Amino acid sequence: GAVVSQHPSWVICKSGTSVKIECRSLDFQATTMFWYRQFPKQSLMLMATSNEGSKATYEQGVEKDKFLINHASLTLSTLTVTSAHPEDSSFYICSATRTATDTQYFGPGTRLTVL
Amino acid sequence: AQRVTQPEKLLSVFKGAPVELKCNYSYSGSPELFWYVQYSRQRLQLLLRHISRESIKGFTADLNKGETSFHLKKPFAQEEDSAMYYCALTTGGYNKLIFGAGTRLAVHP
Repeated sequence: GAVVSQHPSWVICKSGTSVKIECRSLDFQATTMFWYRQFPKQSLMLMATSNEGSKATYEQGVEKDKFLINHASLTLSTLTVTSAHPEDSSFYICSATRTATDTQYFGPGTRLTVL
Repeated sequence: AQRVTQPEKLLSVFKGAPVELKCNYSYSGSPELFWYVQYSRQRLQLLLRHISRESIKGFTADLNKGETSFHLKKPFAQEEDSAMYYCALTTGGYNKLIFGAGTRLAVHP
């Protein structure tokens, strides 16, 4: 159990367009979901923490208006990269946890390429 | 500020050799430390955590508060251990994981 999926697995878009990435907990209810960004050959950087039904908490330096996060249900969180630019190209990974003390289960990641 | 340091980007060993992946952290309180592993083309998964004091796939890690370290060890490396290993820290429960840069372990036959 405890499987997290992401859709799409990869996406290519034009500069200026918006892209939505979905994160789903398939077999459990996730009270909290996390969004990370990973640059090539670098570590995961936490972007924001999302609790179901409430506004996401963004890490310092992450633009809220740029990276819109919605956690409308206990099994789905979405990350929308608005007005994407080439510098937004990266690997975006989500994770989900049942409770505040539970381990994080990671999704497979979404590779975004902005042309 | 909390920080996790993994000084080695790549650790290359032969099968059967001992392995030690280094991890140091900086945090003034009592952190919880984890090791995550990412095999080729697979998602990140939890390997072990210091509070459980368990051994997974032959790996162990001991939290040394005096040296602020949480090194990952295995006495005899196997080829299937080749992967990317991340040390991570959280200051409360499992939320807000802070990851190190990662160490790639390559085990050669």
